[in-house]
Amino acid sequence: DAKTTQPPSMDCAEGRAANLPCNHSTISGNEYVYWYRQIHSQGPQYIIHGLKNNETNEMASLIITEDRKSSTLILPHATLRDTAVYYCIVKKKSSGDKLTFGTGTRLAVRP
Amino acid sequence: DSGVTQTPKHLITATGQRVTLRCSPRSGDLSVYWYQQSLDQGLQFLIQYYNGEERAKGNILERFSAQQFPDLHSELNLSSLELGDSALYFCASSVEVIGTFTGELFFGEGSRLTVL
Repeated sequence: DAKTTQPPSMDCAEGRAANLPCNHSTISGNEYVYWYRQIHSQGPQYIIHGLKNNETNEMASLIITEDRKSSTLILPHATLRDTAVYYCIVKKKSSGDKLTFGTGTRLAVRP
Repeated sequence: DSGVTQTPKHLITATGQRVTLRCSPRSGDLSVYWYQQSLDQGLQFLIQYYNGEERAKGNILERFSAQQFPDLHSELNLSSLELGDSALYFCASSVEVIGTFTGELFFGEGSRLTVL
């Protein structure tokens, strides 16, 4: 599974969009991009995943560049409850089921 | 609420002891995963079971073992405990059928183990 690089920390103002980048320059054609988050010491929570098209759900949007070497998770209107560590994971669906979590981005939402 | 239940939530024990952590997956989920999260290591995959059979193994120590029972609940047994085993232990479940991994894992709230 391809490696990912995320900034260790970011912050944004409450009510503004939070844009969390992830670099996965060695991604291969059949690898998906998954995003999870972990709010302080709680169990990680699935947010969204995609292959090459942009995806949106009730929590967030996922924008994947055309060359698929990077992606951005967008929380459109961040709230204080979005303060968490966000993990970007790249994985083939065929390479077993486990997800390997890196160090993620610690997002702090400011009032 | 993810639907995954873990017990106990907190556990304090001494070095050399043995503990059992229990996980009930979401109704209908066949796969159970165990992860360990300590302060200096992040989230580490330990082991996965699918419908009672071991499916994948990660960085699980020989002192640790797990099993999944016919009713699909799982237990993680930690023995000869050391100070370094102090961590949060998470269980997750997913509904996938073999070959159709969705990537969506549902995590429990974890069991916090403190070894003194």
